[in-house]
Amino acid sequence: GAVVSQHPSRVICKSGTSVKIECRSLDFQATTMFWYRQFPKQSLMLMATSNEGSKATYEQGVEKDKFLINHASLTLSTLTVASAHPEDSSFYICSADRQGETQYFGPGTRLLVL
Amino acid sequence: EDQVTQSPEALRLQEGESSSLNCSYTVSGLRGLFWYRQDPGKGPEFLFTLYSAGEEKEKERLKATLTKKESFLHITAPKPEDSATYLCAVREGSQGNLIFGKGTKLSVKP
Repeated sequence: GAVVSQHPSRVICKSGTSVKIECRSLDFQATTMFWYRQFPKQSLMLMATSNEGSKATYEQGVEKDKFLINHASLTLSTLTVASAHPEDSSFYICSADRQGETQYFGPGTRLLVL
Repeated sequence: EDQVTQSPEALRLQEGESSSLNCSYTVSGLRGLFWYRQDPGKGPEFLFTLYSAGEEKEKERLKATLTKKESFLHITAPKPEDSATYLCAVREGSQGNLIFGKGTKLSVKP
């Protein structure tokens, strides 16, 4: 199967800090990447769709100024949580769409804001 | 109203006890139904994609089937290492994103 990596895997930061999460497709090019958020014992909630070379499309209720997405290349998308607060603590997962067929997911990033 | 509903929410099996997980969907213009396995603290791992009614796919002890309204994930003679949450998702019409169900948490006891 295709490989998608995320970095970092875990981050603990103070309230007010901005946190950047990287998502890379290692063995294929992904025009489209997706960012999800998952709360404990809940399913994945789509936050935004990231398209290479264009602005991300955000789901209703997701603040674009809070969750900044950049898809600079066909293998890299980044999610920056601006001025993180404790309520932003969650498990963030990215996925990369291979040829419009299947989404392959990264291992996730656990964010804890103190 | 949920577009993707998985049942049961949780399933406990003894090792070797075969069973099935259900995923029912109400989307129009299905462009793929996906099964993923997720272990605690990890991202979902892709298992299968099904595109049309009647289609079946197998991988080791797992077999996925699809009808016009639902999909089943059959687990034959499960082992403890099959314990995980199994997620079902659909891709609808022209949308690229997946719509996920809430998952079925499977526990297989030795």
